[in-house]
Amino acid sequence: GAVVSQHPSRVICKSGTSVKIECRSLDFQATTMFWYRQFPKQSLMLMATSNEGSKATYEQGVEKDKFLINHASLTLSTLTVTSAHPEDSSFYICSASGTLGETQYFGPGTRLLVL
Amino acid sequence: AQSVTQLDSQVPVFEEAPVELRCNYSSSVSVYLFWYVQYPNQGLQLLLKYLSGSTLVKGINGFEAEFNKSQTSFHLRKPSVHISDTAEYFCAVSGRPGTYKYIFGTGTRLKVLA
Repeated sequence: GAVVSQHPSRVICKSGTSVKIECRSLDFQATTMFWYRQFPKQSLMLMATSNEGSKATYEQGVEKDKFLINHASLTLSTLTVTSAHPEDSSFYICSASGTLGETQYFGPGTRLLVL
Repeated sequence: AQSVTQLDSQVPVFEEAPVELRCNYSSSVSVYLFWYVQYPNQGLQLLLKYLSGSTLVKGINGFEAEFNKSQTSFHLRKPSVHISDTAEYFCAVSGRPGTYKYIFGTGTRLKVLA
């Protein structure tokens, strides 16, 4: 149980284009989803927290107009990197927590490379 | 404010030897504590968690951890490691009902040597 998927697993795009990453909870309803960014050999940096049907709460320093988050259902959240630039290249990981909320289950991550 | 410290960035250990990965936290409120493992180019997998109750927590893959409130620690242990345990290990703390945001440690790279 508690499986979270992400799609795509890897994406390469040109600078200036937008990229959408999907995060799905496969066997539970995700009340809250989190989006993280991880640089090589570093820990995870929380970008934003989203609750189903509500606007996402962004961490300090994260541009909400650049990283658009939608949590339209209890099983799906999307992160759209708008007008991507090479510095946005990173490993993006989502996590989801259920009704009790205290435990996060992580997706396998999406490797984004912006050329 | 909460914080998590993983003092060891890398821990080399020989196969079948015991290992302890250290995690210390600071918090002014009651906490939930977690250990996750990350294999290369993958997401994080939950190893074990402490929410309440017994301070000795057993997890998957033979790992266990002990919550020590007086020392504000949650060290991860395994009595005998395998080559397949080579990975990055993250300790995390949360303690704010309503958001349950995690604070992660910087990670410990466990390298099991043959």
